[in-house]
Amino acid sequence: NAGVTQTPKFRILKIGQSMTLQCTQDMNHNYMYWYRQDPGMGLKLIYYSVGAGITDKGEVPNGYNVSRSTTEDFPLRLELAAPSQTSVYFCASSSTAGANYGYTFGSGTRLTVV
Amino acid sequence: GEDVEQSLFLSVREGDSSVINCTYTDSSSTYLYWYKQEPGAGLQLLTYIFSNMDMKQDQRLTVLLNKKDKHLSLRIADTQTGDSAIYFCALPKAGTALIFGKGTTLSVSS
Repeated sequence: NAGVTQTPKFRILKIGQSMTLQCTQDMNHNYMYWYRQDPGMGLKLIYYSVGAGITDKGEVPNGYNVSRSTTEDFPLRLELAAPSQTSVYFCASSSTAGANYGYTFGSGTRLTVV
Repeated sequence: GEDVEQSLFLSVREGDSSVINCTYTDSSSTYLYWYKQEPGAGLQLLTYIFSNMDMKQDQRLTVLLNKKDKHLSLRIADTQTGDSAIYFCALPKAGTALIFGKGTTLSVSS
């Protein structure tokens, strides 16, 4: 059971470039989330999805886009990379909205924009 | 203020107890969580407590919940060097997702 898989693990982007961070889960979870983690700042919610075809903004959505065409996949797109998007990105999933048993997290993507 | 607040650092000696504290503003959460993040890794669910409980014990871990003061704590007994990590308090925010504190970095010296 792989859980939540994120690719790539590391990436360096130039300012203005685009990329997609991939996230897939094999637990048949309806709910999926993208967070970014900056040093000393905890995790901030970027986008989340309550099921295929449904997405919503979190606390810090500017500069990002998401889609959810299947239950398994929840990619995060950066269209015009900026240095402020240098961060570690975590994808997570849960089986319920109330997250009664917490989230399962991927191992993260470390992104540097130069 | 922040929805979830934690102190940023805690340093203890091996074998001592560690207590990590968390305060929050939203009192409607049904579950409150503690996550652990080891260097270079993702977050792992450490333990959780249901809001109708005051205490939960799980081996070396004790979670205390004071709903009146909106205060959550995690006690680690007999702290080991392997417990060195960042610990996050988290709770569901109505209508969205889990919100996290900034994390407490626990440093254990031998």
